[in-house]
Amino acid sequence: ETGVTQTPRHLVMGMTNKKSLKCEQHLGHNAMYWYKQSAKKPLELMFVYNFKEQTENNSVPSRFSPECPNSSHLFLHLHTLQPEDSALYLCASSQDLSAVITSDTQYFGPGTRLTVL
Amino acid sequence: GNSVTQMEGPVTLSEEAFLTINCTYTATGYPSLFWYVQYPGEGLQLLLKATKADDKGSNKGFEATYRKETTSFHLEKGSVQVSDSAVYFCALPDSWGKLQFGAGTQVVVTP
Repeated sequence: ETGVTQTPRHLVMGMTNKKSLKCEQHLGHNAMYWYKQSAKKPLELMFVYNFKEQTENNSVPSRFSPECPNSSHLFLHLHTLQPEDSALYLCASSQDLSAVITSDTQYFGPGTRLTVL
Repeated sequence: GNSVTQMEGPVTLSEEAFLTINCTYTATGYPSLFWYVQYPGEGLQLLLKATKADDKGSNKGFEATYRKETTSFHLEKGSVQVSDSAVYFCALPDSWGKLQFGAGTQVVVTP
């Protein structure tokens, strides 16, 4: 148990569906991240929020839309996805954006396994 | 920018064998270095870290030493168990606080 929870753990959706992934951290952190993990590809950083402000959008297609209503919650809204978007989506948090520079770590949730049909 | 390169897997070993996973880095300055582990069906979790040159990080029987001379941070374990089967990631931060991960090395330990 890392203090970061993600729901749902598994999601199957059609290309025309709209769904949302939820991440919640109970660590009092101020930075939150979305990563995409595809088979046989390196981890891809998608979005970063620091104190509820988006600081990074790593050229992610607009069919992925993040939302960070407060420092404890992070959402990823999905619409009109493609089969190649099937992957494990990982949420992480850290004390703030500079945490890893000062040797603190990021804490990861268990991920949502997304399958797009 | 800062980056890491780690050996490709999968690495298949018998129980009680010695494990080494190579990781080399390119960095400006001397950032902290991390090893993360991802067990099947789970997210990543920190395995160990080192914050400066010659530091040795250790946890669960794993060790890694921050080598400035060879820009390396190789992960080692003297006697692996089946429960060590996982994917291992080397990582370091860039100047803006984002973690740069290696491609991951899958380790399979057989009884």
